[in-house]
Amino acid sequence: DSGVTQTPKHLITATGQRVTLRCSPRSGDLSVYWYQQSLDQGLQFLIQYYNGEERAKGNILERFSAQQFPDLHSELNLSSLELGDSALYFCASSVGDRVSGEKLFFGSGTQLSVL
Amino acid sequence: GENVEQHPSTLSVQEGDSAVIKCTYSDSASNYFPWYKQELGKGPQLIIDIRSNVGEKKDQRIAVTLNKTAKHFSLHITETQPEDSAVYFCAATTLYNFNKFYFGSGTKLNVKP
Repeated sequence: DSGVTQTPKHLITATGQRVTLRCSPRSGDLSVYWYQQSLDQGLQFLIQYYNGEERAKGNILERFSAQQFPDLHSELNLSSLELGDSALYFCASSVGDRVSGEKLFFGSGTQLSVL
Repeated sequence: GENVEQHPSTLSVQEGDSAVIKCTYSDSASNYFPWYKQELGKGPQLIIDIRSNVGEKKDQRIAVTLNKTAKHFSLHITETQPEDSAVYFCAATTLYNFNKFYFGSGTKLNVKP
């Protein structure tokens, strides 16, 4: 168990809808990353937050947004969903300390199916 | 930005044999190279990592080598076991800069008993 909790594990919805994915990082970790993994694809970086602030952005669509709350949990919001958004969405956390490095700890993911 | 290429995409070995997965990177500023193992239905798990000031690192049956000049690094698994079957991802990033991680496309390793 990595200590990173993602909910829900599975999500089935229809095109055009909006969903929210939730992530609770490991205790003490300040940095949260979101990744998208499509079928047989690698890990596509979406966005990173550090202690409540956006730190880096990847290929995140404008229909997607995220935030990190004061208690450090993070939410990824996906709106106007399309069939192509069906994927496994991972959250990862790290200490975020510049000196000790950036060991990422991944959650088990949320499997999103858009029908 | 950084570009990480990983080969092969699939690898099938007999139990007990060795397996080698190779990655190349493009950004000479990258200085931290972790490897992740993803089992079916689970999130990736860090198995070993190496910093650019080290050429090789071993942990029991797994080892990672780094050639900074050629900008490539490799994962070596010896005495493979069926439980090593999984998808392996390499990654590269620049420490001290909170940069995003760049992942390879993954290698599906199948260890045949």
